[in-house]
Amino acid sequence: DAKTTQPNSMESNEEEPVHLPCNHSTISGTDYIHWYRQLPSQGPEYVIHGLTSNVNNRMASLAIAEDRKSSTLILHRATLRDAAVYYCILSGGTSYGKLTFGQGTILTVHP
Amino acid sequence: GAVVSQHPSRVICKSGTSVKIECRSLDFQATTMFWYRQFPKQSLMLMATSNEGSKATYEQGVEKDKFLINHASLTLSTLTVTSAHPEDSSFYICSASQGARAQPQHFGDGTRLSIL
Repeated sequence: DAKTTQPNSMESNEEEPVHLPCNHSTISGTDYIHWYRQLPSQGPEYVIHGLTSNVNNRMASLAIAEDRKSSTLILHRATLRDAAVYYCILSGGTSYGKLTFGQGTILTVHP
Repeated sequence: GAVVSQHPSRVICKSGTSVKIECRSLDFQATTMFWYRQFPKQSLMLMATSNEGSKATYEQGVEKDKFLINHASLTLSTLTVTSAHPEDSSFYICSASQGARAQPQHFGDGTRLSIL
């Protein structure tokens, strides 16, 4: 499976935008880029996914580089409830739906 | 929408006991369900993939006779940890998908299993 690289941790202030980067230089043409997040002692929560074009939903935006080798999850206004581990995962190619979780990015939001 | 219910949320039992965990998709039909395990301060590790009506596919290193998975209907999958030992203590999480390529997975809230 193609791997992703994320920073171990990031910090933000409440009500400010947060840009969470993800590198996936070995992405294949059929891989989708998925983002999930996990709050302490809970199961992961789906955030957003995309293939080539940028995507927006009620939770976040996903900006995908033109060469698809990197992407950025954008939280437009961070809240304290957005503090979580954010996982960037490639899926849908040969893995067909399987998700391989890396270590993710621990996002801390300061009031 | 897309709610997955996992039960029980916490189990504490003696070594040698078998424990069954249920995973239900409440408002959609899940052709595929996944079972994960997460140890403290680590990431999720996929244990197995189950498709409704067929045998589960286990990841390398996961004992299929130890972790019995049944996916008898489109809304229910169960994981039974047989003859559990303290090293099986972990956070077990299920997820469900409608099975189409690139469809998101919807996760349960997890089961914290503690074997004494």
